[in-house]
Amino acid sequence: KAGVTQTPRYLIKTRGQQVTLSCSPISGHRSVSWYQQTPGQGLQFLFEYFSETQRNKGNFPGRFSGRQFSNSRSEMNVSTLELGDSALYLCASSLGTGSGSPLHFGNGTRLTVT
Amino acid sequence: DAKTTQPPSMDCAEGRAANLPCNHSTISGNEYVYWYRQIHSQGPQYIIHGLKNNETNEMASLIITEDRKSSTLILPHATLRDTAVYYCIVRVAGVNSGGYQKVTFGTGTKLQVIP
Repeated sequence: KAGVTQTPRYLIKTRGQQVTLSCSPISGHRSVSWYQQTPGQGLQFLFEYFSETQRNKGNFPGRFSGRQFSNSRSEMNVSTLELGDSALYLCASSLGTGSGSPLHFGNGTRLTVT
Repeated sequence: DAKTTQPPSMDCAEGRAANLPCNHSTISGNEYVYWYRQIHSQGPQYIIHGLKNNETNEMASLIITEDRKSSTLILPHATLRDTAVYYCIVRVAGVNSGGYQKVTFGTGTKLQVIP
């Protein structure tokens, strides 16, 4: 079974631009969550989707948004990029929403903002 | 979510068992203990999880104390490929969690397996 796939793997953008990252969950997984990882802050939760609905949101500004499609694939968007948005963005999927169901992570998208 | 405390780093000789401790003294009765590891530039890899009982799979064993305030991840025969940062996290169980998947990662333990 294929794992969680994130595209692109690397991205370089300029301050003020916007970016869209894509995540394809494991087949059959309906829950997708997003995380930002930086050396200073570690892994921080962004948001989680289940059945195309956002179920929970972390403490990030409104510039960070996401959505989930009917096939469970998800995208996240960051508008008006800032230098501090440079990070590894990770997507995770799970079979259900109960926490007895492990999260499986992709290898992330490395975003660099210059 | 309950907080976890792990030692920042540990060394282990190749072929020996690696025992990684985690303290989660504020864990609630419905919170699972999960272990993940992350190798540089890759996403966290799921290892094992448990609620009350000890668990074993092909990768590792998880020992949870009776009071559930701490746990130990055991890699029975560490190899160089086990060098990674290991994260212990706790998550609320069941649908009463509100169906959310928010997970809080701590700083983890950097395990160095030495030849």
